Amino acid sequence: QITLRESGPTLVKPTQTLTLTCTFSGFSLTTSGVAVGWIRQPPGKALEWLALIYGNDNKRYSPSLNSRLTITKDTSKNQVVLTMTDMDPVDTATYYCAHRENWSYDYWGQGALVTVSS
Amino acid sequence: DIVMTQTPVSSPVTLGQPASISCRSSQSLVHSDGNTYLSWLQQRPGQPPRLLINKISSRLSGVPDRFSGSGAGTDFTLKISRVEAEDVGVYYCTQGTQFPHTFGQGTKLEIK
Repeated sequence: QITLRESGPTLVKPTQTLTLTCTFSGFSLTTSGVAVGWIRQPPGKALEWLALIYGNDNKRYSPSLNSRLTITKDTSKNQVVLTMTDMDPVDTATYYCAHRENWSYDYWGQGALVTVSS
Repeated sequence: DIVMTQTPVSSPVTLGQPASISCRSSQSLVHSDGNTYLSWLQQRPGQPPRLLINKISSRLSGVPDRFSGSGAGTDFTLKISRVEAEDVGVYYCTQGTQFPHTFGQGTKLEIK
């Protein structure tokens, strides 16, 4: 059974760096073709893709946020970490991590609501 | 980036009646490997998204057969043959053919 869970701060101040951790179980990132991605959703708005990492450490980022994002993995801990620098109130959103296999995001975490406010 | 455009934005439907959602991409979603990586997600109120269909028309295990996907190239459709109360939520199309992955703006399905 595949599960993912996001964890991190619920409130960050403007200009601070956000660090979110995705802890997963039921699969291995070392499996060929498997990846973990991050997607966010501002309140009442649509989904926005942020970043993706494969087991071979291949990483992809949203071009519009590339300069602010870093995605890493710790295979031994079954974790994927997303950092986003220079947070702004417009970054207020629910941040999801998701398992990707067969070219689609087939399992999602419950999401972590992050509010950016002073 | 590939832009995904969904219509309608909102769809009021009577229980037991069919519903249809369209999704158009700004460029072809056919990958160099010949596959088309277009998926449909359902997001019920207060819940994370759930994958319903991938590769245009492949229903995931556990997804009711009243859901079906079709289309090719740049035009795709999600159909619900008979809407049930549990189908209320927002539906998104998404493409995984090219980075960055992108999503439609969502279609809200509600009961009349």
